[in-house]
Amino acid sequence: AQRVTQPEKLLSVFKGAPVELKCNYSYSGSPELFWYVQYSRQRLQLLLRHISRESIKGFTADLNKGETSFHLKKPFAQEEDSAMYYCALDPGGYNKLIFGAGTRLAVHP
Amino acid sequence: DTGVSQNPRHKITKRGQNVTFRCDPISEHNRLYWYRQTLGQGPEFLTYFQNEAQLEKSRLLSDRFSAERPKGSFSTLEIQRTEQGDSAMYLCASSVGAAGEKLFFGSGTQLSVL
Repeated sequence: AQRVTQPEKLLSVFKGAPVELKCNYSYSGSPELFWYVQYSRQRLQLLLRHISRESIKGFTADLNKGETSFHLKKPFAQEEDSAMYYCALDPGGYNKLIFGAGTRLAVHP
Repeated sequence: DTGVSQNPRHKITKRGQNVTFRCDPISEHNRLYWYRQTLGQGPEFLTYFQNEAQLEKSRLLSDRFSAERPKGSFSTLEIQRTEQGDSAMYLCASSVGAAGEKLFFGSGTQLSVL
């Protein structure tokens, strides 16, 4: 079955600490993976996608096919990073996304 | 605001009533999607349109749900004979339609069925 698992509902860190938001997926083909973010009182928006291999707002994510993971990382968390983060899998390239349950990141001063 | 627009923002209804939501996508986007999000979960795909054609419906979309996109512009999602289990945030999103292009989400319509 196609599935995305985000094992942590809440990740709480202090400003300046490293952050890793975990995402594991279950998919037999070549996955297209994304991280979406929702800041307080804002819309869900794309943060980054693995195919672009980009760094957005200091975040990076590496696809590890052996471990079927796509963890989101940032070396130094900022308070403005506090938000809900969703990992998503696109199994067919048509944006029929399969989302994980999300991880709330809280960055404390 | 030139983003995806959804109306109403909130809808409270009694069980058994029909409700209709509207989504206006970004004007040059030819794909339009409906997702549903319940508390504590990520969004779940419901259906999508390429222009006016509804190309796929999820198994989550029971016969009580119907979506339309006349003329390939705005879309409506209707739920007939609402049930308490229909209570959720209904999200609309649009994209330009090329493979891998990102989705732009609306703010959603929060449905509460009493």
